[in-house]
Amino acid sequence: AQSVTQPDIHITVSEGASLELRCNYSYGATPYLFWYVQSPGQGLQLLLKYFSGDTLVQGIKGFEAEFKRSQSSFNLRKPSVHWSDAAEYFCAVGARGGGNKLTFGTGTQLKVEL
Amino acid sequence: DTGVSQDPRHKITKRGQNVTFRCDPISEHNRLYWYRQTLGQGPEFLTYFQNEAQLEKSRLLSDRFSAERPKGSFSTLEIQRTEQGDSAMYLCASSLDGTSNKQYFGPGTRLTVT
Repeated sequence: AQSVTQPDIHITVSEGASLELRCNYSYGATPYLFWYVQSPGQGLQLLLKYFSGDTLVQGIKGFEAEFKRSQSSFNLRKPSVHWSDAAEYFCAVGARGGGNKLTFGTGTQLKVEL
Repeated sequence: DTGVSQDPRHKITKRGQNVTFRCDPISEHNRLYWYRQTLGQGPEFLTYFQNEAQLEKSRLLSDRFSAERPKGSFSTLEIQRTEQGDSAMYLCASSLDGTSNKQYFGPGTRLTVT
C-alpha cells in the first residue's frame, strides 16, 4: 500500500528566508507525486507534480521540488518565502493505473514571520 | 474553466439526521473523486467514479454512506444516520481520464454533527 510521511507538523520561517518541506513516500514502483497547498477556507491547490523525466520540477508561486528515488523523497523548496505563503502544505502520492487515487500526508503548517 | 464546485459549503446537522452533498466537476472531466479530511489530517480517499460508474470504494465508506453520479456529470454523497464522528470536510475532485491524474479540488463541504 502507498503511504506518505511529512515529518514536520509545523514550520516557522522569516519572510525572505528559504524554505524546505520534507516528504517521504512508500510505493512499489515509480509513483506520481504531488504537492498541494491549502489556505483556510480554501480548497486544495496543486503547486506541482512529478510524473517522469526531469527529477527537478518547477511549480507555481516560485516553488520547486526534487524527486530522489534513492531516498524515496520529494521535498518542496522555495528560495525566498513571502508572507502570503503561510498555509498548510500536503504531499501526495498517486498510484499509476487503476483509479489513480491520491494518498496524502498529514500536512505541514507553514507560518511566516514578518 | 469554472472549477469544481460543491454545495453546501457548510452543513450543521443533528446526530441521526441524513445529509446530502453535491459536487459539480469541471465539465469535460470524466473522473470524480470524494475525499474526507478531518482536523489535523490530510484528505483520505473515499470513492471515485469514471463517468457514471463507481469503480472503487474505500473501507472508510461505511454502509451509511452512498455516492452517486447518475449521468456522469454531478455527483452526490449521502450520509444516513449521521454520527459525531462524521464531522469532517468532504472534498470533491475531478480529473480527465488518462495517465496524468491531475486532480482539481473543490472548496469542500464542512459537516458538523451535533
